[in-house]
Amino acid sequence: DADVTQTPRNRITKTGKRIMLECSQTKGHDRMYWYRQDPGLGLRLIYYSFDVKDINKGEISDGYSVSRQAQAKFSLSLESAIPNQTALYFCATSDPDRGSETQYFGPGTRLLVL
Amino acid sequence: GENVEQHPSTLSVQEGDSAVIKCTYSDSASNYFPWYKQELGKGPQLIIDIRSNVGEKKDQRIAVTLNKTAKHFSLHITETQPEDSAVYFCAASKQAAGNKLTFGGGTRVLVKP
Repeated sequence: DADVTQTPRNRITKTGKRIMLECSQTKGHDRMYWYRQDPGLGLRLIYYSFDVKDINKGEISDGYSVSRQAQAKFSLSLESAIPNQTALYFCATSDPDRGSETQYFGPGTRLLVL
Repeated sequence: GENVEQHPSTLSVQEGDSAVIKCTYSDSASNYFPWYKQELGKGPQLIIDIRSNVGEKKDQRIAVTLNKTAKHFSLHITETQPEDSAVYFCAASKQAAGNKLTFGGGTRVLVKP
C-alpha cells in the first residue's frame, strides 16, 4: 500500500466551483506540504503544516486554503476555481526530527479547470 | 527568498553515455541540496542529496557535486540506461527556513537505446 495517497487522481471542474483535494499518509510524519507543478516551473509550495496546529502559507497561497484534520490528513481547497489553477498537485510529507529531510510525495492529482 | 535555476530543460543522451544537470541557487545560507526523480505518472522521489559541508557524494551511477563559492551544484549520471529516462528536479533549503524546499524548473532526460 502507498504511504502517501491523494484523491481524486484526476478532476475536471468549471470556473467558480469549489473543490477539495485530499491527502492521507501512513508514515506517521508530522510535516505535510502541498505543491503545484506546472511545466518549466518545477514544484511550487502552496501551503505547509509542521503539525496539526501549525499551518503556513507557501510562495503561491492566493486562491487556496488548507485544513489539517489530523496528523495523517491534509486537504487543499480551491474556493472558486479559475483556469490558471489547472495544474498537477502533489502532497508530500517529511519528518526531519527522525534525522532525514527527505520529502515523500503522493502520486499527484491532475486538475483541469474549464 | 531562495531562487533555484536548473539547466538544461531537456536532455537527450545515447544509452551508455553520461548526463549532467546543473543548478544554481541564490541564497548563500542554503545548506541542503536534494535531487528528485519523477517518472511518468508518479510523484517525485529522492535519489541523492548533499549537504553544504560536503563537496561531492556518489551512489553507484549517480553523483552530486557542490560548489558553495559559486553557489551551484550538479547531478551526474554515468552509463545511462533507458530506466533513467524521467524528469529530474534539483532543490535547495536552509534550516532557518524550516527546511522548506525551493525547486528548480526540472530537466526532462531521454535516454535513447
